[in-house]
Amino acid sequence: KQEVTQIPAALSVPEGENLVLNCSFTDSAIYNLQWFRQDPGKGLTSLLLIQSSQREQTSGRLNASLDKSSGRSTLYIAASQPGDSATYLCAVGGFKTIFGAGTRLFVKA
Amino acid sequence: EAGVTQSPTHLIKTRGQQATLRCSPISGHTSVYWYQQALGLGLQFLLWYDEGEERNRGNFPPRFSGRQFPNYSSELNVNALELEDSALYLCASSLTGSRGQETQYFGPGTRLLVL
Repeated sequence: KQEVTQIPAALSVPEGENLVLNCSFTDSAIYNLQWFRQDPGKGLTSLLLIQSSQREQTSGRLNASLDKSSGRSTLYIAASQPGDSATYLCAVGGFKTIFGAGTRLFVKA
Repeated sequence: EAGVTQSPTHLIKTRGQQATLRCSPISGHTSVYWYQQALGLGLQFLLWYDEGEERNRGNFPPRFSGRQFPNYSSELNVNALELEDSALYLCASSLTGSRGQETQYFGPGTRLLVL
């Protein structure tokens, strides 16, 4: 049974700091891994999708990596801004999509 | 291009009633996914429809059911509502569910409150 863990559960950083969010999964037989952000009371916004054959994806200030053999993915956010404050979720894609519990990020101005 | 839409935005029901939630995918998307996000819990996979067929379901009782219509829109039905069914129900769509390799795009959700 696939289990997805996100560390840390919450993170508070000053504006401008670079930060890393972690996602680990127990079963390496995945199709893809997707990172989302969720603003309070809202739906999810897709940030990056990494296929199982890829090692990383980049979009603007975001970079996500995937290491299937170790069951880990990281989301790197460069030069954080207050608008980045949200909950970040990773989702492991297989026959079922399994989500982690999320990391709640607060970027202080 | 319109995103995934869901209706209603809010729904209030009492225990034992039935709830029907609706989802319209992005134009051209054939796969629809349903998730439950209960307070304090993470997103839980509910159902996956592709090309009108149910492809997979999560660990939910049979009173959670749904269907996908020929135009790829979808309905989630929850029968015999219980208090713990109160949650945000999110729908997502993707181009195709084939091998689960497509990006999922989410709607704003329906917040269901069971009294």
